[in-house]
Amino acid sequence: DGGITQSPKYLFRKEGQNVTLSCEQNLNHDAMYWYRQDPGQGLRLIYYSQIVNDFQKGDIAEGYSVSREKKESFPLTVTSAQKNPTAFYLCASSIVGTGLAFYNEQFFGPGTRLTVL
Amino acid sequence: QKEVEQNSGPLSVPEGAIASLNCTYSDRGSQSFFWYRQYSGKSPELIMSIYSNGDKEDGRFTAQLNKASQYVSLLIRDSQPSDSATYLCAVNSLSSNTGKLIFGQGTTLQVKP
Repeated sequence: DGGITQSPKYLFRKEGQNVTLSCEQNLNHDAMYWYRQDPGQGLRLIYYSQIVNDFQKGDIAEGYSVSREKKESFPLTVTSAQKNPTAFYLCASSIVGTGLAFYNEQFFGPGTRLTVL
Repeated sequence: QKEVEQNSGPLSVPEGAIASLNCTYSDRGSQSFFWYRQYSGKSPELIMSIYSNGDKEDGRFTAQLNKASQYVSLLIRDSQPSDSATYLCAVNSLSSNTGKLIFGQGTTLQVKP
């Protein structure tokens, strides 16, 4: 089955601790994205990558880091510098078109719910 | 002004009625428009994409796009209790060419039996 997997489903972080959220896709998509969702709010983009070994900051990148060593994988690290990390984290992927083919339908994984203790 | 705006609701409709969800956007360069459905505690699920002015129908769902007025809407016919969810509008700007989707905050729909 093709799809996007995220792990763990729930994650608890202590103050001052770095944690890494996993995102894997087998859809052969070039682009991958990380979003954060807070209660009652829309999705905000943290980081995105359109090709292996390259990624760009989104709107709220401070306190987060990513890597893109493989096409299938785009892990997100929430560092101790992120002061309010409690949120629902969503990974998505899409094809990368060009020009008018750049429709950018993004498909989401099941999410990781991170709580700071 | 927010880039993508939706009424947060809740929008309450009786079972079998038509639910109308609206979204406005500020970037006139926007080219691609999406509706996602998100059940409580779950991740968003893509239900409709629309790229050209006019209507696009898929089963009970119809997306409507008016680029001149900068709005996109989603109609759900014969609403069912299982349609109760938050509906997110998302917009992609071709001018940015970055793959960045801008999401509205979502409209909560309640379908009452």
